[in-house]
Amino acid sequence: GDSVTQMEGPVTLSEEAFLTINCTYTATGYPSLFWYVQYPGEGLQLLLKATKADDKGSNKGFEATYRKETTSFHLEKGSVQVSDSAVYFCALSGQNFVFGPGTRLSVLP
Amino acid sequence: EAEVAQSPRYKITEKSQAVAFWCDPISGHATLYWYRQILGQGPELLVQFQDESVVDDSQLPKDRFSAERLKGVDSTLKIQPAELGDSAMYLCASSLIVAASGGAGEQFFGPGTRLTVL
Repeated sequence: GDSVTQMEGPVTLSEEAFLTINCTYTATGYPSLFWYVQYPGEGLQLLLKATKADDKGSNKGFEATYRKETTSFHLEKGSVQVSDSAVYFCALSGQNFVFGPGTRLSVLP
Repeated sequence: EAEVAQSPRYKITEKSQAVAFWCDPISGHATLYWYRQILGQGPELLVQFQDESVVDDSQLPKDRFSAERLKGVDSTLKIQPAELGDSAMYLCASSLIVAASGGAGEQFFGPGTRLTVL
């Protein structure tokens, strides 16, 4: 069945550092891809999405490009802030909706 | 902006007691999901509704968990009796019926109910 793999955390960065969180997927057909963010004690919020190959989703300085050839959807941000500290989930929408295990990001001032 | 509503936000109960959670999806969203999220893990799907019908409840522990969406709008998830291992965040999400590709669409999440079983 469909699956999502994310890099293991936790990831700890200093403020203004560059962020990459890797995500790869296995799916039949052409799923839509998502990144969700979860702040402490809250539900999940959609961060960005891409619905077809080579699409780039972007929001709040975060970007991810749908790479069909490498089945990847890596999350990047050029300069992280303390307020970006959260858990990030990669997900796909194929026949079913599948979440990755999440990557915890801590940004230190 | 339309949101998914959940209540209560927090619930503390003793084991063997019954608990119930409520979810009101975004208006017009035919698909409703209940997830369980154990601390430090990703959401695990418990049950998916399409309107009032259950589409997937393969991961729902049916000996103690039940879910209903009688009028195809709001939904209730019940646990009876609660066990210590049920302590988790229970998330509700909703989506439009299908994406253009025919698959599941983007999901919108509520704030969750944090359950603690003592």
